[in-house]
Amino acid sequence: DAGVIQSPRHEVTEMGQEVTLRCKLISGHNSLFWYRQTMMRGLELLIYFNNNVPIDDSGMPEDRFSAKMPNASFSTLKIQPSEPRDSAVYFCASSSLTLGHTDTQYFGPGTRLTVL
Amino acid sequence: GQQLNQSPQSMFIQEGEDVSMNCTSSSIFNTWLWYKQDPGEGPVLLIALYKAGELTSNGRLTAQFGITRKDSFLNISASIPSDVGIYFCAGQLGSNYQLIWGAGTKLIIKP
Repeated sequence: DAGVIQSPRHEVTEMGQEVTLRCKLISGHNSLFWYRQTMMRGLELLIYFNNNVPIDDSGMPEDRFSAKMPNASFSTLKIQPSEPRDSAVYFCASSSLTLGHTDTQYFGPGTRLTVL
Repeated sequence: GQQLNQSPQSMFIQEGEDVSMNCTSSSIFNTWLWYKQDPGEGPVLLIALYKAGELTSNGRLTAQFGITRKDSFLNISASIPSDVGIYFCAGQLGSNYQLIWGAGTKLIIKP
């Protein structure tokens, strides 16, 4: 089975540009988590969805960040406008309620974002 | 906010040595998880613990859910070069989907 798929794997952009990160969940999973990882702050949860509904977005840094789940298997994280301090590795992880343990999150390979 | 204290931050060991790392918290967790992250990849689940006192093994890895539900440890026996990476603990509070993450333990094997 395919794992969590993220694209792009690497993104280099200039300050002020819009950035869109994409994530495809594992088939059959219904929970999605967006994380940001930096050396200084470690892994930070940005937002998570359950059955396409955003449950908690309290980790989203500011209004420049937005996330959507247009369907049950796909999500986007958008940063507009991007700033150098947004440079980080962004992970999405998927999980399933139906398998009994909701806590097992499967991570994608991440998108390394560099904002110049 | 909730915090997990993971230690040590890093370990330099010789191949073949045993490794031990732990996480502690002031909060009670329902679940403890241990993940490993290789360079350029996302964290991968190693072991999941669901009951206080539970001791679970995965090959050379053994993890325990502390009796107080406030701590967990991970042991790696007879380390090999592919064990290098960053190990994270994560805990789940109640029925909340969110995981609270430790800062990670970086394992380095001396040549």
